[in-house]
Amino acid sequence: DQQVKQNSPSLSVQEGRISILNCDYTNSMFDYFLWYKKYPAEGPTFLISISSIKDKNEDGRFTVFLNKSAKHLSLHIVPSQPGDSAVYFCAVAAQGGSEKLVFGKGTKLTVNP
Amino acid sequence: DAGITQSPRHKVTETGTPVTLRCHQTENHRYMYWYRQDPGHGLRLIHYSYGVKDTDKGEVSDGYSVSRSKTEDFLLTLESATSSQTSVYFCAISEVDWTWTSGYGYTFGSGTRLTVV
Repeated sequence: DQQVKQNSPSLSVQEGRISILNCDYTNSMFDYFLWYKKYPAEGPTFLISISSIKDKNEDGRFTVFLNKSAKHLSLHIVPSQPGDSAVYFCAVAAQGGSEKLVFGKGTKLTVNP
Repeated sequence: DAGITQSPRHKVTETGTPVTLRCHQTENHRYMYWYRQDPGHGLRLIHYSYGVKDTDKGEVSDGYSVSRSKTEDFLLTLESATSSQTSVYFCAISEVDWTWTSGYGYTFGSGTRLTVV
């Protein structure tokens, strides 16, 4: 069974608006939650993370929210830009869990000019 | 950029032939990983290493083997390539950082696109 679910394969938004990408996880033992961004023909790159002791982490236009009770993670991008068009992967890990990240299937974000 | 390179970048091979992909790092990171990316499946872990000669299986390890004889090199071998192993393969490295502010994450290579015909 999937431990990390990104139920929206794709999302399309207008430039300047908010993009909200969602991720659900099944195991309450996960301690770290990350978002990766991937452009075509490139490797994924780390975007932002949050630990389980926080419920929000902000970095410029990117904010990650964590709702532990709902086992839900979201990434907000405000304002969205065409250069944000990419595939976004949610990833989770547990401290002491052999340091392995478990990735979701990804959401392809398209920001239209 | 982080010192991680994958070779080759592209390869076409025939069914039944052995194939070895190489991941090389200059960061002296302890952990190295091989993932494959397929449409509808995201990134799935094949094998990982937590030190020289210390490796373990991931969720999709069947048909793959790995070796790590030096800190800087992690090799992925397809013993007898099949069409189902056509994929994009990513290597990643990490040195676990448990600080709460910076979090923790992997650095990925640029990938190897493998086609098995």
